[in-house]
Amino acid sequence: GAGVSQSPSNKVTEKGKDVELRCDPISGHTALYWYRQRLGQGLEFLIYFQGNSAPDKSGLPSDRFSAERTGESVSTLTIQRTQQEDSAVYLCASSLNGGGDGGELFFGEGSRLTVL
Amino acid sequence: AQSVAQPEDQVNVAEGNPLTVKCTYSVSGNPYLFWYVQYPNRGLQFLLKYITGDNLVKGSYGFEAEFNKSQTSFHLKKPSALVSDSALYFCAVRLPYTGRRALTFGSGTRLQVQP
Repeated sequence: GAGVSQSPSNKVTEKGKDVELRCDPISGHTALYWYRQRLGQGLEFLIYFQGNSAPDKSGLPSDRFSAERTGESVSTLTIQRTQQEDSAVYLCASSLNGGGDGGELFFGEGSRLTVL
Repeated sequence: AQSVAQPEDQVNVAEGNPLTVKCTYSVSGNPYLFWYVQYPNRGLQFLLKYITGDNLVKGSYGFEAEFNKSQTSFHLKKPSALVSDSALYFCAVRLPYTGRRALTFGSGTRLQVQP
């Protein structure tokens, strides 16, 4: 497809389980972003990848959260030992580059995570 | 640090009336400013951006925004609201070349246009 693709669209898990969320960015986009949106709230930055540079992990809320990206393609966000406060929609976005040109972000439809 | 504030959780306006959704920012330097819209059950979509140049920028769906450096604001406007404009609107900011490379988003403003 032409857009950012995220999977799964919905995930229900039990507290303490690990989950993995996947993002397929738009082909050719070198920058990839993960955000979290809790119910009724704004977007919370998690992590940013730009080409082969070291990722900006400054938004990850705890060491239970990690993310990887393979080259300039797929990214996975992993949450270990999930807690109920992790329940949110996890949004992935990509952009042509992450530099100073102010390029717009293209968002996926998100992965809704519910931790019981 | 860069931050952006949307002081109104919700804005209500009648169809056909002008609308304004407020945004103020706090960054050192010359920011890039953005508006995104989130329709129900859909992903965020880019509306418009200010990079440099003319303070009034025009975007999708008839929206425009005015960059005001002295007031550090970037309010979103539309001359005549449509019911279909009802959605969640996010202002975002980033500094070019320095600081956090990802966009910092405001908390969002829900726009409700009544018929």
